[in-house]
This record gives sequence, C-alpha cells and structure tokens, in this order.
Amino acid sequence: QKEVEQDPGPLSVPEGAIVSLNCTYSNSAFQYFMWYRQYSRKGPELLMYTYSSGNKEDGRFTAQVDKSSKYISLFIRDSQPSDSATYLCAMRRQDSSYKLIFGSGTRLLVRP
Amino acid sequence: SAVISQKPSRDICQRGTSLTIQCQVDSQVTMMFWYRQQPGQSLTLIATANQGSEATYESGFVIDKFPISRPNLTFSTLTVSNMSPEDSSIYLCSVVVAGGNTQYFGPGTRLTVL
Repeated sequence: QKEVEQDPGPLSVPEGAIVSLNCTYSNSAFQYFMWYRQYSRKGPELLMYTYSSGNKEDGRFTAQVDKSSKYISLFIRDSQPSDSATYLCAMRRQDSSYKLIFGSGTRLLVRP
Repeated sequence: SAVISQKPSRDICQRGTSLTIQCQVDSQVTMMFWYRQQPGQSLTLIATANQGSEATYESGFVIDKFPISRPNLTFSTLTVSNMSPEDSSIYLCSVVVAGGNTQYFGPGTRLTVL
C-alpha cells in the first residue's frame, strides 16, 4: 500500500463548477500538507500549504486537512479552463529532512 | 518563495553518455533536492544535495549513477551517468528557502535518451 493515495482521474468538469480533489494517507506522523499544480511540461507550482488539521483559503482555493480520517482535500470554486492541470498532493513529517511524499496526481480538465 | 532556474531545459542524448543538469537559485536556501518524474508518473526523490559534502541518496538511487554536487548554498548539479532509455524523464530540483517549511520546484529538465 502506498503511503499517499490519490485518484489519477482524469476529472472533467464544466467551467464554473466546484472541483473537489482528495488524497488519503496512512502515516499519522505527517504534519505538513501541500497541494501543487503542474501544467504540462512545467515544474510543480506550490498552491496551498497547511500545517496540521484545519482549513485554509486563498482566493478560489480551499485546502482542508482532517488528520483523524487521514484525508486531505483541495476545493476549487468557479473553476476556469486555466485550472486544467495535474494536481499533486504532498505531505511530510515534522522533522529536519523536509522530505515530501507525493500522491500520484489527479489530472483535471475544465471544459469551456 | 525563490526563483529557480535549471539548465538545460531539455536534451536528447545517446545511450552510454552522461548529462549534467544545473540548478541555480536566486536566494540562499537551506535544503536542495533532486527528483525524477517519469512519463505520466508522480515525483520520486533521488537525493538530498548537501552543501560541501556527499549527497544523501534514497533507496534505489546510487552515487555512481547520479553523482550530485552542491558547492554553495545556491547551486547544485545532478549528473545522469551512462544513460539508457529508461533514464528518459523529467529531472527537477527543489529547494526549501531559509525560514520556510516546504519545497519550491524548478522548471525541470526534460531528458530523452535514444
């Protein structure tokens, strides 16, 4: 079993829809949770970063962490065609290594 | 965050040859990492580049195949040695900025081995 599980998609939604992207994990030691967006042929871009449980909002993006369920989510409101990309969740323990464990990525397509 | 550049951005190489990839950051960082992203896959950590000492390699990656240097706080190189078509991937460097808690990625180097 992988430490981090993520549905690869693809997920296809119409423009303006609310998108929900999710990851589950097995290691209860994870304390830092990230979402990266990766456009085709580009490096991953950090979208959201959350420490421990709770919600964090930034514009159209909301990240949620439920440590009791070992489940994290990224919500995108009013989705746009420019949001079409692969979304990678990543997480790490609270230690000095800063090592990230990545999900496999979910490919999102927002149709005009 | 940090501005990260990688050279080359892409290359096509013959099997048996070696390629050195450079990663340059515009500010001092505490940690630098090298990742591989095979076609259609997620990111796999190759090693942590340590300043002035040998890199720390992850399971499945060895120094003879992927020698890494980090002579100062803002620059690192990854060499892919004795390449085979299975080495065709995107190679990414990432950094943790001073005082930061997460990693920022460079644009990647797209390597094709024929």
